[in-house]
Amino acid sequence: GESVGLHLPTLSVQEGDNSIINCAYSNSASDYFIWYKQESGKGPQFIIDIRSNMDKRQGQRVTVLLNKTVKHLSLQIAATQPGDSAVYFCAENIRGYSTLTFGKGTMLLVSP
Amino acid sequence: EAQVTQNPRYLITVTGKKLTVTCSQNMNHEYMSWYRQDPGLGLRQIYYSMNVEVTDKGDVPEGYKVSRKEKRNFPLILESPSPNQTSLYFCASRLRWAGGPDNTDTQYFGPGTRLTVL
Repeated sequence: GESVGLHLPTLSVQEGDNSIINCAYSNSASDYFIWYKQESGKGPQFIIDIRSNMDKRQGQRVTVLLNKTVKHLSLQIAATQPGDSAVYFCAENIRGYSTLTFGKGTMLLVSP
Repeated sequence: EAQVTQNPRYLITVTGKKLTVTCSQNMNHEYMSWYRQDPGLGLRQIYYSMNVEVTDKGDVPEGYKVSRKEKRNFPLILESPSPNQTSLYFCASRLRWAGGPDNTDTQYFGPGTRLTVL
């Protein structure tokens, strides 16, 4: 079957570089955001989340930045490793709605 | 081990032959959901369930049914599958859906079911 990775914007980096993956959202009522990682043949895996009352949140090697003014979300991965190669999705929860809306995703390719 | 399981993982069927994809979670989660994933379209929600006997349509519910008779199971039913339902399907669960910025329960996804309808 056709890979879900096709048709996606792709970011290619070298091992050890820092990676920045961006996501734009359109609804100013979105108040909760999540980044997911999806490796080939697997389901999406939670990476990190952020609430709308925060601008930045850090995890292990990952940082999420939220700019509500321009409705922009980014995921920064420090010291990118080949195992980080995957498709990355942002998802948003619009206040009052019981669902998540997912972005189309970005494929990250890490070269040794 | 906390997990969401789906069966089958792969299925090839023919138009009109009813099928069910099962989903089960062992985390006592209230909220469960089905998504389909298609190239260029990303993940789209089909149906979701806030709790037992409470289900609601997502963004693309046409051609699908669900049921939530028990907390742990949330099967996806295709009464009369058609080729446009060929897709990769994911079940997901989370503890609950409280809404708002304080709701940060992690949503866990199953491994996926690749369905081909000929």
